[in-house]
Amino acid sequence: GNSVTQMEGPVTLSEEAFLTINCTYTATGYPSLFWYVQYPGEGLQLLLKATKADDKGSNKGFEATYRKETTSFHLEKGSVQVSDSAVYFCALSIGGAQKLVFGQGTRLTINP
Amino acid sequence: DAGVIQSPRHEVTEMGQEVTLRCKPISGHNSLFWYRQTMMRGLELLIYFNNNVPIDDSGMPEDRFSAKMPNASFSTLKIQPSEPRDSAVYFCASSSAGGPYTGELFFGEGSRLTVL
Repeated sequence: GNSVTQMEGPVTLSEEAFLTINCTYTATGYPSLFWYVQYPGEGLQLLLKATKADDKGSNKGFEATYRKETTSFHLEKGSVQVSDSAVYFCALSIGGAQKLVFGQGTRLTINP
Repeated sequence: DAGVIQSPRHEVTEMGQEVTLRCKPISGHNSLFWYRQTMMRGLELLIYFNNNVPIDDSGMPEDRFSAKMPNASFSTLKIQPSEPRDSAVYFCASSSAGGPYTGELFFGEGSRLTVL
């Protein structure tokens, strides 16, 4: 089946630290990969995406590279801010389907 | 532009009562999804519709749950009878299935359900 595994949280960092949140996937087909972010009290919103191997998605200083050989899509940011505190979800879809399979989410807290 | 609108935002009810959650998708979107979020199980897809037709309801927990989409601008998720283990945040999301594929779902702010 199709599934997504994220590193367990919570993750707590100081402002300006480097961030990595690991994400690996299992897919029966050729997936598209996504990172969604959920700020407190809100619904999820798309942060970035990549639709084929070696693509790099980027937005708001966050980046993730689609690595087919390691079935990974790790989220990185060079210098985090307090406003980045949120829950981050890795997700995949297969074959252009709108249905997404989400990982369990990783809670990130940034301290000033 | 208005986003996905869900109501109620918060619902507290007693075990055995009927609960109805409502969702208005973004105008022009033809796919609608209901997700449930809990600490233990994370984000689970319950059911989704394309052009008002249910496509995949394999995530619906049991017969106590039902979802309808009578038209393109409205959907309901009903739980009858409700149980304490149904306590969760229920999200509605919509997307456009036509045109270039984006994979982007637009989520509402959620309905937090507490069953006592």
